[in-house]
Amino acid sequence: DIQMTQSPSSLSASVGDRVTITCRASQGINNFLAWFQQKPGKAPKSLIYATSKLQSGVPSKFSGSASATDFTLTITGLQPEDFATYYCLQYNSPPYTFGRGTKLEIK
Amino acid sequence: EVQVLESGGGLVQPGGSLRLSCAASGFSLSPYDMSWVRQAPGKGLEWVSLIRGNGDATHYADSVKGRFTISRDNSKNTVYLQMNSLRAEDTAMYYCVCSYQLLVPHVWGQGTTVTVSS
Repeated sequence: DIQMTQSPSSLSASVGDRVTITCRASQGINNFLAWFQQKPGKAPKSLIYATSKLQSGVPSKFSGSASATDFTLTITGLQPEDFATYYCLQYNSPPYTFGRGTKLEIK
Repeated sequence: EVQVLESGGGLVQPGGSLRLSCAASGFSLSPYDMSWVRQAPGKGLEWVSLIRGNGDATHYADSVKGRFTISRDNSKNTVYLQMNSLRAEDTAMYYCVCSYQLLVPHVWGQGTTVTVSS
């Protein structure tokens, strides 16, 4: 099974900052990597799929990239509504696997 | 609007069974892969199971293999998760997620809560 190692587990940042979150896959996943945002008490929201493609309606402040088996979510110009928990998901081959999540908190 | 809606959660004793349902609204789910994802209280997301659009293939996390069964009835526009031999560690919010028009699961329901406790 493919393991996804997500880091950091938590991150403190200020409004206006730029942050990056990383997921490392234990083997190649053909860029089948997605990112989700979850706020307390809510279902996750899809942000990015296929490593770098934005879901409809997601602002361009969110972006995704990859280098080999390292995948990165970058968020620029942080706003209060961006403070949430973020998860990566590999969907290259079942069993699909999530990263453990990154809690983004206001500094 | 494309939506999925889960139902069937509740309180069940250890060793018991429960069947979750996921109904699609605003579209036909028959061509699309459907997944179940769960989240234990205060924990992260855990992918549980997948059924391919044609229903020919199903996949499970090791933690539920042999106990849970995913199925679909396209005539009812519904996907199911039959959960048997439930354990305390199966306590979680269960989300149904549709890979609508994409390979990635991305259309999430609001979730249904399963509590396994005596």
